[in-house]
Amino acid sequence: DGGITQSPKYLFRKEGQNVTLSCEQNLNHDAMYWYRQDPGQGLRLIYYSQIVNDFQKGDIAEGYSVSREKKESFPLTVTSAQKNPTAFYLCASESLGGENIQYFGAGTRLSVL
Amino acid sequence: AQSVAQPEDQVNVAEGNPLTVKCTYSVSGNPYLFWYVQYPNRGLQFLLKYITGDNLVKGSYGFEAEFNKSQTSFHLKKPSALVSDSALYFCAVSGINDYKLSFGAGTTVTVRA
Repeated sequence: DGGITQSPKYLFRKEGQNVTLSCEQNLNHDAMYWYRQDPGQGLRLIYYSQIVNDFQKGDIAEGYSVSREKKESFPLTVTSAQKNPTAFYLCASESLGGENIQYFGAGTRLSVL
Repeated sequence: AQSVAQPEDQVNVAEGNPLTVKCTYSVSGNPYLFWYVQYPNRGLQFLLKYITGDNLVKGSYGFEAEFNKSQTSFHLKKPSALVSDSALYFCAVSGINDYKLSFGAGTTVTVRA
């Protein structure tokens, strides 16, 4: 998990509330990714970014938003439009054109109050 | 579209016995293949990858995997399992020109003493 910091470790959301999950990396990686993990479903891609100020939707982007204002930071906002937000969220980063390996943070577990 | 299948939800082995975790994939063109391991409430740790070259890939902690193009498989193996190998294992695939990873649903490995 070294080099990629996700915070907080646990997060609780009230009905109608937006919450933001933080992901910071000090690996100088170009690309960053957000995944959602549900039991028995593996990881599903929410959003990804290969360069600052640019990002693309993944397979399950509805109800989520992101920004990439700095190379080292890729925060994920879970909006009130996401009706089933309870999950484990994982951030990853990768050096494009390098090792072709995504490295993961320790994750944030989001629950609904 | 690319996809990964891990046909076994759970694999149980005795310590000291060989461990095999199965993975088959579907992708257009040549694949990049990966194995990751996840311990409870943690992020994913990279174990090994196949990009090109030798079909037998050696990775971390004594694990290896064999790429079989004709069977579109990339099974993970360890000759002698340890109790500490008990974890959730994910296989993932991407296309050569696509940085997005598609993950399998995961296989829970339990190694009994």
